[in-house]
Amino acid sequence: GAGVSQSPSNKVTEKGKDVELRCDPISGHTALYWYRQSLGQGLEFLIYFQGNSAPDKSGLPSDRFSAERTGGSVSTLTIQRTQQEDSAVYLCASSQFWTAGQPQHFGDGTRLSIL
Amino acid sequence: EDKVVQSPLSLVVHEGDTVTLNCSYEVTNFRSLLWYKQEKKAPTFLFMLTSSGIEKKSGRLSSILDKKELFSILNITATQTGDSAIYLCAVDGSSNTGKLIFGQGTTLQVKP
Repeated sequence: GAGVSQSPSNKVTEKGKDVELRCDPISGHTALYWYRQSLGQGLEFLIYFQGNSAPDKSGLPSDRFSAERTGGSVSTLTIQRTQQEDSAVYLCASSQFWTAGQPQHFGDGTRLSIL
Repeated sequence: EDKVVQSPLSLVVHEGDTVTLNCSYEVTNFRSLLWYKQEKKAPTFLFMLTSSGIEKKSGRLSSILDKKELFSILNITATQTGDSAIYLCAVDGSSNTGKLIFGQGTTLQVKP
């Protein structure tokens, strides 16, 4: 596609439920990143994919968070047993390679609200 | 710990003014510094800087990097109301992943 596509754009769910967020990167981009933007905070790195593998998961805040990528394209971020502190905008970005000189391009994000 | 600090956190100006946004950083393995503009949703890419002293320019926006003093500035001349946004500075301080460390952002409001 022309840009990074994320779905859903908004998600409201009850505490304790599982949620799945989807990211469709720019066609041909091998690197994919998930970030989280909480109210009043900067963007926080969660996980990086190169192809289908995730060499850097260091930003995932707890074992309730997991992500996968299939076919070197679409990625899903799953949050199990959601907590109120998980409320944030989850942004996905992609780039052609991880090397310097290739800027990351962002999707519109999924706004997640935990009641 | 790697960190990126932006200043000011917020700024209100009138159309036609010139603004300078600041970004300082401390990272172990500097690779590049990026500026993004965030209006309602997706941050949109403005500039990527890797070398000191070379100004990048796009219309009324320009940016420069000082790798000795560890900072960058983003200048906007003849501001317009459409420049109102959050401006994000990010640094790639990774060894081999490209993950970005973001500052808190500067919220710019341009009044007519």
